[in-house]
Amino acid sequence: GENVEQHPSTLSVQEGDSAVIKCTYSDSASNYFPWYKQELGKRPQLIIDIRSNVGEKKDQRIAVTLNKTAKHFSLHITETQPEDSAVYFCAASDSGAGSYQLTFGKGTKLSVIP
Amino acid sequence: SAVISQKPSRDICQRGTSLTIQCQVDSQVTMMFWYRQQPGQSLTLIATANQGSEATYESGFVIDKFPISRPNLTFSTLTVSNMSPEDSSIYLCSIRVSPGDEQFFGPGTRLTVL
Repeated sequence: GENVEQHPSTLSVQEGDSAVIKCTYSDSASNYFPWYKQELGKRPQLIIDIRSNVGEKKDQRIAVTLNKTAKHFSLHITETQPEDSAVYFCAASDSGAGSYQLTFGKGTKLSVIP
Repeated sequence: SAVISQKPSRDICQRGTSLTIQCQVDSQVTMMFWYRQQPGQSLTLIATANQGSEATYESGFVIDKFPISRPNLTFSTLTVSNMSPEDSSIYLCSIRVSPGDEQFFGPGTRLTVL
């Protein structure tokens, strides 16, 4: 089955700096890669996703890049703000297998220091 | 996007008892999933709830412990049976409107077993 590794487990940045979180996956058939943000006591919220036919996707201050050859994808947050502080999870899914199950990384706790 | 609600939002239960968690969606969805999130941990898929048939369980989860119903395209229940303190966790319902679509999470049920 799919295995998703996520690094780092914790990340502290100064407000205004950039943050990068990296994930690798094992199953070359995976073709959908979402990122979720989970604030304390809240549900995971989908913030951005990318499919295997695209190398990069951007939405305001966040962007995701995908390298299918190397089987890794990354989340980039620019101009970080205190409200970006949360736990971020990457995930991978093989839609073609019919199961559409998401396999999650272990999460990255991002702290943005004012 | 679809609105997902769960009941109860939290509960404190005695060991040996059972709790049924309800997930209601305000529109028909193709796929419904149940996840567990232990304190400070990532999301683990318990099972895929299949409408009109038995749920598909992941390794380590069995029907006797986590019976699931899905009578229609908007509703599902997860029962945590014969609970022990190790079952203390957040249980999350998750949906995809159609296969291959984005996946969203309900607000979760925080369960504490004494």
